[in-house]
Amino acid sequence: EVQLVESGGGLVQPGGSLRLSCAASGFTFSRYWMTWVRQAPGKGLEWVSNVNQDGSETYDVDSVRGRFTVSRDNAKNSVFLQLNSLRVEDTAVYFCARRVREVGLDFYDYWGQGTLVTVSS
Amino acid sequence: DIQLTQSPSFLSASVGDSVTITCRASQDITTYVNWYQQKPGRAPNLLIYAAYVLHSGVPSRFRGDGSVTEFTLTISSLRPEDSATYYCQQLNSYPHNFGPGTQLEIK
Repeated sequence: EVQLVESGGGLVQPGGSLRLSCAASGFTFSRYWMTWVRQAPGKGLEWVSNVNQDGSETYDVDSVRGRFTVSRDNAKNSVFLQLNSLRVEDTAVYFCARRVREVGLDFYDYWGQGTLVTVSS
Repeated sequence: DIQLTQSPSFLSASVGDSVTITCRASQDITTYVNWYQQKPGRAPNLLIYAAYVLHSGVPSRFRGDGSVTEFTLTISSLRPEDSATYYCQQLNSYPHNFGPGTQLEIK
């Protein structure tokens, strides 16, 4: 059974840092791209970042570029999101998801339950 | 960046009805559109990928269609458990934006 479990969220002051983790199980982790998506309270979904199978390619949304860094450790079946210079508007539930990418197909099929990041003074 | 709009933003329908949600893209995204269902406090669930392919385990009451810039999600024979917010998403190019969502209420 595929499982994704996020951790590392919490309350942090503006300008602070957090490191989110997503532990994967039930599939061959190193074969898949992984993704972070966030959702501010009462708002819609916002794609944040992707990382490829070996961590050599990453992509992120403009609003987090230079502040957030996605990485992975295939030996530990985990993907990470380092959040620096946090702003109040980064307050959200952060989900990790598995990306399936094949010719003509591209989708996020399994999601974790999310971890809440609250940025407030 | 490719922008997605969804209509309507809110939908109210009765058990047994059929409803259609439309997602429009600001540019040609071929069929790189996926649809997700999200219930309050839960993670999104993949319903449809590649515009019309039903994800494993999703009831056949859900149907996706469209290409280029206009896409639809149709839910037939509505059931109470279909009450949720529905999002489209494009993966044609980065950033992988989501639409703003359509909230479906089952009366």
